[in-house]
Amino acid sequence: NAGVTQTPKFQVLKTGQSMTLQCAQDMNHEYMSWYRQDPGMGLRLIHYSVGAGITDQGEVPNGYNVSRSTTEDFPLRLLSAAPSQTSVYFCASSYAGELFFGEGSRLTVL
Amino acid sequence: DAKTTQPPSMDCAEGRAANLPCNHSTISGNEYVYWYRQIHSQGPQYIIHGLKNNETNEMASLIITEDRKSSTLILPHATLRDTAVYYCIVRGAGGTSYGKLTFGQGTILTVHP
Repeated sequence: NAGVTQTPKFQVLKTGQSMTLQCAQDMNHEYMSWYRQDPGMGLRLIHYSVGAGITDQGEVPNGYNVSRSTTEDFPLRLLSAAPSQTSVYFCASSYAGELFFGEGSRLTVL
Repeated sequence: DAKTTQPPSMDCAEGRAANLPCNHSTISGNEYVYWYRQIHSQGPQYIIHGLKNNETNEMASLIITEDRKSSTLILPHATLRDTAVYYCIVRGAGGTSYGKLTFGQGTILTVHP
């Protein structure tokens, strides 16, 4: 099993550009979520999903969209990137309580 | 979910036990205590969780007080590779609580030779 796979690992964007961070898991987990982590801070929940076709907002959802068309994939879309979205993004999946995290995607918005 | 309070940093000598405290005085009866750690800039790693009873696995032990208002994560023989940020998290049981964890600032544990 690959676990939770995030792509890309690194990305540089210009302000106003759009992009999608990909997240895939091969553990057949129902629950998936996206977090962001700013320097020296803990993780903050952006969006989460309790199953295919179901998503909801977390603590910091503004500027991000998600969809969950399959159990395996949970992409995070930035519609118009802003410098405030410079961060490390972590995707996670869960079958119950324990979260499995990806290795992170480092995004810089200039 | 209940809020948790952890010391910002702790030190431990290699080979000694590391005892990381966590206060969760507003915890509800059906809320679990979870511990994760984050080594450098990697994704957080699950360590252990518990509800009422003390728990032990290959990584650590979790001691929860009888009133459940605080807990201690114990790394019995700390190594340099245990240097990390340790997060204590309280999570509700079931439903939409799965996959949603509220991370605080955590405790930076430094294990020194």
